[in-house]
Amino acid sequence: QVQLVESGGGVVQPGRSLRLSCTVSGFIFNTYAMHWVRQAPGKGLEWVAVISYDGTSKYYADSVKGRFTISRDNSKNTLFLQMNSLRAEDTAVYYCARDQLTAGYFDYWGQGTLVTVSS
Amino acid sequence: DIQMTQSPSTLSASVGDRVTITCRASQSISRWLAWYQQKPGKAPKLLMYEASNLEGGVPSRFSGSGSGTEFSLTISSLQPDDFATYYCQQYRTYPYTFGQGAKLEIK
Repeated sequence: QVQLVESGGGVVQPGRSLRLSCTVSGFIFNTYAMHWVRQAPGKGLEWVAVISYDGTSKYYADSVKGRFTISRDNSKNTLFLQMNSLRAEDTAVYYCARDQLTAGYFDYWGQGTLVTVSS
Repeated sequence: DIQMTQSPSTLSASVGDRVTITCRASQSISRWLAWYQQKPGKAPKLLMYEASNLEGGVPSRFSGSGSGTEFSLTISSLQPDDFATYYCQQYRTYPYTFGQGAKLEIK
């Protein structure tokens, strides 16, 4: 069955960096675009970034552009989110999500990993 | 960016009720709209895509409609498992955007 498992979350000081991973199984990873979506505590969903199936195209939310980098290793069925210059407002649960047939909606999600930016 | 606005933000209803949640886009998104259900502490679950296509395994009491800028999600007869928060999401263009959510509570 399809599984997405995020890891790498934790507590980090403002201005520091963190890298999230999302390891997938149960589907052919290198044929799907993948996304990161986040949710601040008690708030709604915010789309963060997308990467094409082959890693050649990437798009970001304005709120993270220039600070976050999405990447993937298709040989390891793993999606990454490198987060630099973290701010308090980046505190959230980060979900990775599969893009159904590169259509733009998310048919499978991970369980999420919590990132807390605090001094 | 395309703004998505849901209404109501909170809705109280009883088991067996018919409820409708609306979602308005700040510009036309054709039918590039998805609906998700989220329960506390859990990841969102896809319910509907392209405004009215039911995702596999989702009960038929859920239905969606609309195009352009006005959309709706209807639950024909509420079940206990349906009390959750619902989000719409446009995928017409980047950045993808979600509505603020509609929390469905037990009356």
